[in-house]
Amino acid sequence: KAGVTQTPRYLIKTRGQQVTLSCSPISGHRSVSWYQQTPGQGLQFLFEYFSETQRNKGNFPGRFSGRQFSNSRSEMNVSTLELGDSALYLCASSPGFANTGELFFGEGSRLTVL
Amino acid sequence: KQEVTQIPAALSVPEGENLVLNCSFTDSAIYNLQWFRQDPGKGLTSLLLIQSSQREQTSGRLNASLDKSSGRSTLYIAASQPGDSATYLCAVSSGGGADGLTFGKGTHLIIQP
Repeated sequence: KAGVTQTPRYLIKTRGQQVTLSCSPISGHRSVSWYQQTPGQGLQFLFEYFSETQRNKGNFPGRFSGRQFSNSRSEMNVSTLELGDSALYLCASSPGFANTGELFFGEGSRLTVL
Repeated sequence: KQEVTQIPAALSVPEGENLVLNCSFTDSAIYNLQWFRQDPGKGLTSLLLIQSSQREQTSGRLNASLDKSSGRSTLYIAASQPGDSATYLCAVSSGGGADGLTFGKGTHLIIQP
């Protein structure tokens, strides 16, 4: 069974640009959550999507957005990039709601903003 | 607001030793607690999930316990091996999931050959 797949794995952007990251969950999983990991703040919750609906959102500015498609694949978008957005962005999938079961993470997308 | 603390932040032990990693959380109203492992530059690998109604879970050389009333969990690693070297993260799910999982900062573990 294939795991959680995130693309791209690495990317470099400049300030002011926007970026779109993609996540394909484990087959059959309906929940996709996104996290930002930085050395200073650790892992922070961005948002969770379940059956194409945003279920929860963390404390991030509106520049961070996401969506989920009917096949459960998810994308997150960051607009007007800032230096502080440099981080490892991790996606996790679960069969049901993320807070009730086991989460399975992808390898992450490492974003560097110059 | 839930807060998760992991002690120690770093640990280095010789191969073969048994060791305990600690995790504490401030709000006992949790759905579950999950332990993860993260290798440098990689994603998270799920090790053990303990539901709030459970006291412990075991997988191979790993045993995790949960004391919800005191807000504590421990991860016990038996007969440590160099391949166990990684950062171990504890995460709790609480409050209806509104804040997602709340993670600790992790314990960086080095097993010396």
